[in-house]
Amino acid sequence: EDQVTQSPEALRLQEGESSSLNCSYTVSGLRGLFWYRQDPGKGPEFLFTLYSAGEEKEKERLKATLTKKESFLHITAPKPEDSATYLCAVRPLTGGGNKLTFGTGTQLKVEL
Amino acid sequence: DGGITQSPKYLFRKEGQNVTLSCEQNLNHDAMYWYRQDPGQGLRLIYYSQIVNDFQKGDIAEGYSVSREKKESFPLTVTSAQKNPTAFYLCATADRDYNTGELFFGEGSRLTVL
Repeated sequence: EDQVTQSPEALRLQEGESSSLNCSYTVSGLRGLFWYRQDPGKGPEFLFTLYSAGEEKEKERLKATLTKKESFLHITAPKPEDSATYLCAVRPLTGGGNKLTFGTGTQLKVEL
Repeated sequence: DGGITQSPKYLFRKEGQNVTLSCEQNLNHDAMYWYRQDPGQGLRLIYYSQIVNDFQKGDIAEGYSVSREKKESFPLTVTSAQKNPTAFYLCATADRDYNTGELFFGEGSRLTVL
């Protein structure tokens, strides 16, 4: 069974204090690993797709990396507007329909 | 505006009542999905549809039903058989190129059973 575990559950940072969020996964074969951002009371918003170990993607203050067992979302010099829940999801090689398995998310709070 | 519209945003229901959540999209996407989100749990797939007039059960389909009569619409009915229906429901779409994995989500519908 595919599993996704995210840590920490919650993270509080000061503005400008860089850190990383972790996503550990177990999947029979990985077609893709995805990061989403979710604001309170809203639907998730797509951030990145990573397909193979060693791959990196960047967007503003965010950088996602992938190894064979986990992915990291690095946040450099965060701002209060980066506060949100960050979700990780995996899509296995087998099975159709673009079915994703989601983690429970990391709730990030960036304070002034 | 292109996007996904879910309605209602908030819904209260008495036990034993069926309720239908609407999801409409104008992105011209082939695939549509319904997820359920509960505190402390990841998003869980209820039903999905890759083409009009066809749909498949997800991981937690019991107590739910769907239809896909039009490409733009994928309504979800929460029936009285669903034992714990209070949750945040999310509709999503995906283009035919499934390899990107990119799901587009609506704003969600919060259902509370009184």
